[in-house]
Amino acid sequence: DPKIIQKPKYLVAVTGSEKILICEQYLGHNAMYWYRQSAKKPLEFMFSYSYQKLMDNQTASSRFQPQSSKKNHLDLQITALKPDDSATYFCASSQDGGYAEQFFGPGTRLTVL
Amino acid sequence: GEQVEQLPSILRVQEGSSASINCSYEDSASNYFPWYKQEPGENPKLIIDIRSNMERKQIQELIVLLDKKAKRFSLHITDTQPGDSAMYFCAARVKGSNNRIFFGDGTQLVVKP
Repeated sequence: DPKIIQKPKYLVAVTGSEKILICEQYLGHNAMYWYRQSAKKPLEFMFSYSYQKLMDNQTASSRFQPQSSKKNHLDLQITALKPDDSATYFCASSQDGGYAEQFFGPGTRLTVL
Repeated sequence: GEQVEQLPSILRVQEGSSASINCSYEDSASNYFPWYKQEPGENPKLIIDIRSNMERKQIQELIVLLDKKAKRFSLHITDTQPGDSAMYFCAARVKGSNNRIFFGDGTQLVVKP
């Protein structure tokens, strides 16, 4: 059983549109993250949340907005999509603090035409 | 924030030989160093980690060394097999950094039969 679910697995969007990437984790973790992976940047940190609160934001553009409706959910809304946003987006989770291992979800591969 | 440098970017070895990947970091407050393996089309998975109170850790054919004075750590894979071919990422976490892990840019390991 997958412990971190990301939906959809593949997503094609047109330039200028808006999409929401879904992430749910069933590991009982209280910290969640978003990363982006593309040919330009192998594994790029975007956001971290702890107990549903934003802890760190390394994404310059406000077009990227995380949304946490529940403790085990951290969705990523992307508005005004650009071809440069094409990448695989990984959600991850861990226990808060200590030497907690981060577990990665399967990823959503986004292509913006 | 922390900066993690990883070399080489591509590493080709013969099956049965050893492979070494080297990483360095800047922040002396970094206290946790995980290594992730990512196969094509898959998510990154933790394969071994080391804490700052250790200098060496081994899990089967994986050996991690940590030199805190030099701020360097390395992964050594002994007796490489074709199944070891993948992208490897080193990472560092700074104590008190809100759980954030700083990743290196990755090493593509190719094990030739």
